[in-house]
Amino acid sequence: GAGVSQSPSNKVTEKGKDVELRCDPISGHTALYWYRQRLGQGLEFLIYFQGNSAPDKSGLPSDRFSAERTGESVSTLTIQRTQQEDSAVYLCASSLAGSSFLTSGNTIYFGEGSWLTVV
Amino acid sequence: ELKVEQNPLFLSMQEGKNYTIYCNYSTTSDRLYWYRQDPGKSLESLFVLLSNGAVKQEGRLMASLDTKARLSTLHITAAVHDLSATYFCAVDSPIPTSGTYKYIFGTGTRLKVLA
Repeated sequence: GAGVSQSPSNKVTEKGKDVELRCDPISGHTALYWYRQRLGQGLEFLIYFQGNSAPDKSGLPSDRFSAERTGESVSTLTIQRTQQEDSAVYLCASSLAGSSFLTSGNTIYFGEGSWLTVV
Repeated sequence: ELKVEQNPLFLSMQEGKNYTIYCNYSTTSDRLYWYRQDPGKSLESLFVLLSNGAVKQEGRLMASLDTKARLSTLHITAAVHDLSATYFCAVDSPIPTSGTYKYIFGTGTRLKVLA
């Protein structure tokens, strides 16, 4: 079955340019998460969607970062005026997060990531 | 704010040895997750622990949860080279007023098993 799909898998961009990263979650998964992982570091929470709304945007590092989700499906993470410190892999994950998760847990399933390099 | 800390951050061990990775978190939660990440790869789920005293085992890995101590452990028995990876714990934390949760990951433990 199809897993979480992210594109592009690799992106090299010049400082100051805008980039858009796309995530296709597993079909039927209502929850969608974006994380950032710098080289050799842990996962930094960016934003979480439940359906098309984002109950928590607290992780977005600056106003250059924005994200949206439409049709309770595809999500895009946009970084404007990229800086070198934005270089990282951006991981998207999805989960069912339904009412049963209190009894069965909320395992989230990750895509392969979008590796962003700002030069 | 929920904090999730792991120790050690880096672990180098000989094949055949046993060791334990610790995951401490700062707020009440009954659900804790362990994930594995191979170099250059994404994360895959290992264990889901849903209650105090929960214990799960898969091969040479065993995870446990003590919600009163806010502590989970990942125990490695007779390590083999294939276990070399980075291991993350994660806790889901309620988002006030929304009735939903967000997922916070620990700092990760980079395990290297030497032949």
